[in-house]
Amino acid sequence: DVKVTQSSRYLVKRTGEKVFLECVQDMDHENMFWYRQDPGLGLRLIYFSYDVKMKEKGDIPEGYSVSREKKERFSLILESASTNQTSMYLCASSLFRFGANVLTFGAGSRLTVL
Amino acid sequence: AQTVTQSQPEMSVQEAETVTLSCTYDTSENNYYLFWYKQPPSRQMILVIRQEAYKQQNATENRFSVNFQKAAKSFSLKISDSQLGDTAMYFCAFMKLGNDMRFGAGTRLTVKP
Repeated sequence: DVKVTQSSRYLVKRTGEKVFLECVQDMDHENMFWYRQDPGLGLRLIYFSYDVKMKEKGDIPEGYSVSREKKERFSLILESASTNQTSMYLCASSLFRFGANVLTFGAGSRLTVL
Repeated sequence: AQTVTQSQPEMSVQEAETVTLSCTYDTSENNYYLFWYKQPPSRQMILVIRQEAYKQQNATENRFSVNFQKAAKSFSLKISDSQLGDTAMYFCAFMKLGNDMRFGAGTRLTVKP
């Protein structure tokens, strides 16, 4: 089975800190995604990537950046964390660029910004 | 942009009974895919069922089936013979051919013994 691993399950950071959320997939998937999950809002797409060094903005990219230097790794970066970025962050991957690709999700990283 | 609406924030059902979760979406695309994902408490999101828009036949996976009404842009999930393990958040999702997926706000389903 495809595995998507998020490096930290729980993080607590202070306002203004730089935060890295790491995601690794082990099945050579082309596509990787970062979502944010908030109660009543569902999952909102932050950024996604179809290939190494490529990135596309999702619906809520403000305050975030991403990095994909290797195919298996997709990092989400909060340059200066703010309290409104307290949330659950979900990483996902899928096999191909087109088609009915199923997303495989990681376990999530719950970030609290104080 | 495509939007996905789940109008039922919470639902409950007795064990062994049937429940239907609603989902509507808005798109100008003709070819797309629809999904239902399940997120059990403190566990990973997993796929329940998917439907290709070009297929008229409704998808079925064991106790889970969908009612896909393309003209009405409706995609409901029916769970038959509900089990305690079905307790979870259920998310409806839409994906156009460009492969970026959009989700609804979710429905929290509780199966009661």
